[in-house]
Amino acid sequence: GDSVTQMEGPVTLSEEAFLTINCTYTATGYPSLFWYVQYPGEGLQLLLKATKADDKGSNKGFEATYRKETTSFHLEKGSVQVSDSAVYFCALRSNTGNQFYFGTGTSLTVIP
Amino acid sequence: DAGVTQSPTHLIKTRGQQVTLRCSPKSGHDTVSWYQQALGQGPQFIFQYYEEEERQRGNFPDRFSGHQFPNYSSELNVNALLLGDSALYLCASSPDGGYGYTFGSGTRLTVV
Repeated sequence: GDSVTQMEGPVTLSEEAFLTINCTYTATGYPSLFWYVQYPGEGLQLLLKATKADDKGSNKGFEATYRKETTSFHLEKGSVQVSDSAVYFCALRSNTGNQFYFGTGTSLTVIP
Repeated sequence: DAGVTQSPTHLIKTRGQQVTLRCSPKSGHDTVSWYQQALGQGPQFIFQYYEEEERQRGNFPDRFSGHQFPNYSSELNVNALLLGDSALYLCASSPDGGYGYTFGSGTRLTVV
């Protein structure tokens, strides 16, 4: 079945460091891929998405490229800020269904 | 424009009791999905409602049931609560077939 495997956390970085959170997926067909962010005590917010191979999603300095050959959708940011501290979830939505499949989440803490 | 509204925000129930959680979708959205997020895990799909019918269901027992009303709002009911049902329950709304998935802030259910 469809699934997402996400890099285990927690991740702690200094401000202005480079961030990579790895995400790989298993799916039949051609899923859409997403990164969601969850701040403490809140629901999920869409960070970025890509709907087909080689698409690059970007938002607020974060980027992820849909790589069909490696079934990956790694999240990157060149210079993290304290305000980026949150839990990040990789997710896919199959083109044959209506549900999202989420990874287990990666907690990021950025220290000044 | 109000997003997805969930109520209550927190509640505590005793094992064996029944609970009803409520969700009002974002304006213009007619599809409602429910997810269970256990502590430290990614959200798991419970079911989706469209046109007042359950359209798709995840791997959850029949103790979990739902309803959608003509105004598109929805309820999630859980019977015979178990300690393992303690989780954050997230509601998400979307336009049918669209990618505009919007999550609410969730209801934190604690079963004691």
